[in-house]
Amino acid sequence: DQQVKQNSPSLSVQEGRISILNCDYTNSMFDYFLWYKKYPAEGPTFLISISSIKDKNEDGRFTVFLNKSAKHLSLHIVPSQPGDSAVYFCAAYYGGSQGNLIFGKGTKLSVKP
Amino acid sequence: GAVVSQHPSRVICKSGTSVKIECRSLDFQATTMFWYRQFPKQSLMLMATSNEGSKATYEQGVEKDKFLINHASLTLSTLTVTSAHPEDSSFYICSARDPRLGGYNEQFFGPGTRLTVL
Repeated sequence: DQQVKQNSPSLSVQEGRISILNCDYTNSMFDYFLWYKKYPAEGPTFLISISSIKDKNEDGRFTVFLNKSAKHLSLHIVPSQPGDSAVYFCAAYYGGSQGNLIFGKGTKLSVKP
Repeated sequence: GAVVSQHPSRVICKSGTSVKIECRSLDFQATTMFWYRQFPKQSLMLMATSNEGSKATYEQGVEKDKFLINHASLTLSTLTVTSAHPEDSSFYICSARDPRLGGYNEQFFGPGTRLTVL
């Protein structure tokens, strides 16, 4: 049973436009969420996170929105750049701050010049 | 951010041999490290949690005797794939949390090891 779902395996966006990556979760016990960016043959790198007590967190071009009632979060990238092309993973903490991360399957973002 | 390294980055071995992968935290002491496996176009699946000075905690379905984990020091954890078979071919990634950060914080990932078993 997949607790963190990224239903779009891929997304293609024109440079300069907004990229919206979506993530749904099923476990209401998750209380901290993270987005990671991953290039092929490399480990994931942390991008941005959000606590369940917030509904928005912004860092430069990246904004994460959390809708707890819908168990849904999204990552917005504005404006998108070709260097943003990568696989983006949504993850949630399970078991508190010392618990484990549960990852979604990832969404491959392609930003075209 | 904290730096985690992995060695080797890529290994090709024959079926039946054992392969050891090292994970090091370079600028912090990690009491806990994590080992993940990623198949193509799949999520990162947690295999086990490695605790310094104690036995690793394995996720359901992961064979303890096949994937040996040793966390002998605060900066080094090793994963040994014993008697490797082609189905063990995968991308293995380790991660660690920096205890200095406290609370909720990101895991810092190594660059991964591509294992190919012939």
